[in-house]
Parts: sequence; structure tokens; C-alpha cells
Amino acid sequence: AQSVAQPEDQVNVAEGNPLTVKCTYSVSGNPYLFWYVQYPNRGLQFLLKYITGDNLVKGSYGFEAEFNKSQTSFHLKKPSALVSDSALYFCAVRGYPNFGNEKLTFGTGTRLTIIP
Amino acid sequence: EAQVTQNPRYLITVTGKKLTVTCSQNMNHEYMSWYRQDPGLGLRQIYYSMNVEVTDKGDVPEGYKVSRKEKRNFPLILESPSPNQTSLYFCASSLWGLGANEQFFGPGTRLTVL
Repeated sequence: AQSVAQPEDQVNVAEGNPLTVKCTYSVSGNPYLFWYVQYPNRGLQFLLKYITGDNLVKGSYGFEAEFNKSQTSFHLKKPSALVSDSALYFCAVRGYPNFGNEKLTFGTGTRLTIIP
Repeated sequence: EAQVTQNPRYLITVTGKKLTVTCSQNMNHEYMSWYRQDPGLGLRQIYYSMNVEVTDKGDVPEGYKVSRKEKRNFPLILESPSPNQTSLYFCASSLWGLGANEQFFGPGTRLTVL
């Protein structure tokens, strides 16, 4: 079975400060890891993904995430937060090889609030 | 514009009254999926479809049905809705399989079952 943990329901950061949203995972085999963002009254939007290769992946809106295999983590980061970054963030994982398991497992979400 | 559309966006119904939520994508994606979003539980997968006429259960399929007769459409059917199916529902699609492909999400359908 695969699972994702987002240990913080809420993260508050002052505008201009760096932000981190945490995610840890558990899969059989190797992970495909994703971050999605949900703005109010909208569907989820893809931010970035880790498949293989460089542990630091860059995505949309200046976000990046660092894959750490030994800690089974995939934390989302941004050097300087904007008020417009305020949203609900979801981490997701699926393992491979998976031999027919086409499920994607999401975390419970972290609400990020950037304080002006 | 490439998009996933869902209808209706909001629905209030009563227990036991059959309903269908439609989902359509115009990106020629093979993989489609339904999720429900509940506070504190995140997104949970209900059903998914790898291609036309190929569907499979997700993590919470009880009380739901789906069909995939055409590549672009993937309706979600609640034969006898119950109050515990009150939720926010999202349809999503991706290029082929799930693999390493990101999913594109619809705007959501907020369902209330009284």
C-alpha cells in the first residue's frame, strides 16, 4: 500500500520569507511524487513532479521541491513567499513498478497562508 | 482551450434519488479518474479508467458507478445517494496511464445529499 503524510494542516509565513510545506511518503518500489495546488473554488493545478534524476525539481510559480530518498520526503519550498501563494497544497505519490496499480494517493493537504 | 469540464457544479438532492455527474475532457487523454475531497481526508480516488471500456475501483468505490463508453466522457453515477456522499467531487484526466503524467482537474462538483 502507498501513503502520504502532510504533518501540518496549516502553515503561516510572512510575505518575503522562505516557505516549506512538508510531505513524507511510503511506497513499494520507487516513487513518482507530485505537488498540486488548489485555490479557492477551483480544481487542483499541477505544480511539479519528481520522476528520477536530480533530487531538486523546479516547478511553476517559483516553487521547487527536494526529494530525499533516505528520509522518504518531498518537501515543497519557495525562497520568497507571495500573498498570492496562499492556497491549499497537496502532495501525491504512486509507486513503480506497480503492475497494473494505477492509483494516485494524495495527502490530506496543507493550507498555506502568507501574511502581508 | 484544453480543459476538463464537470456538470453540474453544484447539486442538492435527497436520499435515494439517482443522479449523474458528467465529466468531459477535450485533450484526447486516455486516463480519467474521479476523486472526492473531504475536510481532513484530502482527495480519495473513487474510480479510474485506463481507456474506453476499461474501469477499475479506487480506494472508496462503494455507492458509486462509472462508465467509459467514449474516450472523452467519464460520468459518475450515484444510484441511491446517501448523506455520507455529501462531498466535493473532482474529475481528472491524464495523457495515458497514470505513470509519471500529471493530471488535469475539473473545477469540481459540490454535492449535498439531504
